[in-house]
Amino acid sequence: GDSVTQMEGPVTLSEEAFLTINCTYTATGYPSLFWYVQYPGEGLQLLLKATKADDKGSNKGFEATYRKETTSFHLEKGSVQVSDSAVYFCALSPNSGGSNYKLTFGKGTLLTVNP
Amino acid sequence: DAGITQSPRHKVTETGTPVTLRCHQTENHRYMYWYRQDPGHGLRLIHYSYGVKDTDKGEVSDGYSVSRSKTEDFLLTLESATSSQTSVYFCAISESGTDQETQYFGPGTRLLVL
Repeated sequence: GDSVTQMEGPVTLSEEAFLTINCTYTATGYPSLFWYVQYPGEGLQLLLKATKADDKGSNKGFEATYRKETTSFHLEKGSVQVSDSAVYFCALSPNSGGSNYKLTFGKGTLLTVNP
Repeated sequence: DAGITQSPRHKVTETGTPVTLRCHQTENHRYMYWYRQDPGHGLRLIHYSYGVKDTDKGEVSDGYSVSRSKTEDFLLTLESATSSQTSVYFCAISESGTDQETQYFGPGTRLLVL
């Protein structure tokens, strides 16, 4: 079945550091890929997405590129802020007709940014 | 923000009691979902709905039932709560059409089963 593997946390960085959170996936066909962010005490918010190979999703300074050859969708940000402290989830949607509304999530990566 | 509310936001109950969680949306979206979030597991799909009275099981449906009698409401019921159902429960919605796969989440319900 489909699966998503993301790097184990927690990740602790200083403000203005470069961030990478790795995400790889296993799926048949051509899934859509997502990054969601969860701030403390809140629900998940869509951060960015990509629906086909070589697409780059971007939002709030975060970027991720859909790499089909390496089945990856790594999240990056050039300069993190304290306000980026949150849990980040990578997810996929199989995009295979009738079941394309089911999301499969990774386990989440806790990011803490210190001033 | 998508118009999704969940009630209650927090609940403490005892083993063996029935519990119903409510998800309410004001977006008129066709699809609704219930997930549970547990440390080390990410989010796992419990049940989902693709229309009024149309529901199906997800990955971890044992011990849960759902109902959807109106577009805007999706109820999750624990028929007889167990300690293993202590979790944070999230509702999500998505619309039909070209952006069907993008889901929007509610604020969550924290359930403790003693």
